[in-house]
Amino acid sequence: KQEVTQIPAALSVPEGENLVLNCSFTDSAIYNLQWFRQDPGKGLTSLLLIQSSQREQTSGRLNASLDKSSGRSTLYIAASQPGDSATYLCAVTTGANSKLTFGKGITLSVRP
Amino acid sequence: DGGITQSPKYLFRKEGQNVTLSCEQNLNHDAMYWYRQDPGQGLRLIYYSQIVNDFQKGDIAEGYSVSREKKESFPLTVTSAQKNPTAFYLCASSPLPGTVTDTQYFGPGTRLTVL
Repeated sequence: KQEVTQIPAALSVPEGENLVLNCSFTDSAIYNLQWFRQDPGKGLTSLLLIQSSQREQTSGRLNASLDKSSGRSTLYIAASQPGDSATYLCAVTTGANSKLTFGKGITLSVRP
Repeated sequence: DGGITQSPKYLFRKEGQNVTLSCEQNLNHDAMYWYRQDPGQGLRLIYYSQIVNDFQKGDIAEGYSVSREKKESFPLTVTSAQKNPTAFYLCASSPLPGTVTDTQYFGPGTRLTVL
């Protein structure tokens, strides 16, 4: 059974800092890996999707990498801003039905 | 304006009552999903459907039921058999299930509280 782990559960950084969020998964037979953002009391917004054959994806200040063989992904946020404060969830797809297995998320707080 | 709508935003239920959460999408997506989120937890899959009139149980289907009579709609009923229904419920849809490029689009959620 696929398990996704995100550690730590919470992170607080000063504005402007570059930071890395980590995600690990137990079964490397994935279709893709996605990073989502969730603001308090809201739904999820997809940030980046990395296909199983890809190593990384970039969008603006965000860069996500995937090492499928070791079961790890990182989300790099450059020059963090208070508006980046949210919960970041990692999820993997491991079936033809696109079922997502989620980690518990990392709650990020960027201090002005 | 395409997207996924969920209603109501907040729902209160007395113990022993069944309640139905609405999920509608106008994205023309084939697949739809229901998740439950508890504080400090990731999302857990309740039910999913890849085509009309067909659906499958997810990881925590006990105490829940769904229907998929139309492509656009995937309502979730929380029955009295669900012992701990207080949670945040999220509906999602996806256009290309089973492909490496498929991603899920989420609605704004319904917060259910049992009184």
